[in-house]
Amino acid sequence: DAGVTQSPTHLIKTRGQHVTLRCSPISGHKSVSWYQQVLGQGPQFIFQYYEKEERGRGNFPDRFSARQFPNYSSELNVNALLLGDSALYLCASSLPSSTDTQYFGPGTRLTVL
Amino acid sequence: QKEVEQDPGPLSVPEGAIVSLNCTYSNSAFQYFMWYRQYSRKGPELLMYTYSSGNKEDGRFTAQVDKSSKYISLFIRDSQPSDSATYLCAMSANSGYALNFGKGTSLLVTP
Repeated sequence: DAGVTQSPTHLIKTRGQHVTLRCSPISGHKSVSWYQQVLGQGPQFIFQYYEKEERGRGNFPDRFSARQFPNYSSELNVNALLLGDSALYLCASSLPSSTDTQYFGPGTRLTVL
Repeated sequence: QKEVEQDPGPLSVPEGAIVSLNCTYSNSAFQYFMWYRQYSRKGPELLMYTYSSGNKEDGRFTAQVDKSSKYISLFIRDSQPSDSATYLCAMSANSGYALNFGKGTSLLVTP
């Protein structure tokens, strides 16, 4: 089975621009979570979606938004990019069972110049 | 104070050594504990998953959780150069919800 896939792999943007990152979960997984990992730090939770509904939101500004589609894939959107948004953006998927764990994709590396 | 504390290292050990990695946490609501391994510029890979207190063993890896001390550990036996990576502890209060990560510990196993 394919794991979590993310696109694009790398992205370079300039300050003020908008970016859209995409994620396809493991087949059968209905929950998708997004994390931001700044160099040298652990991942920080941004959003979680389950069955197309937002189930949780971390401490990130409103410039960050996300959505989940009927096929359970997801998009993360970031508006008005800042230099500090440069990071590895990770998507994780999980089953909706009571003992589920989150499996991560390879990430999208975003550089804001 | 961060909810999850983890010494970033780096930790350097010779091949074959036993490695001990640790995290402490402050939120007593955490019940689900995980260890992830992350190679440079890659996504985290799940190594161990533990619910509540106790030990769990999988091959060369053993995870321990002591909720009374708010302390979790990962032991790697017979360490190999291929174990060189960053090890992230993660935990959550509710299964499948947001994970709270430590900073990660960088491990180097030298031949």
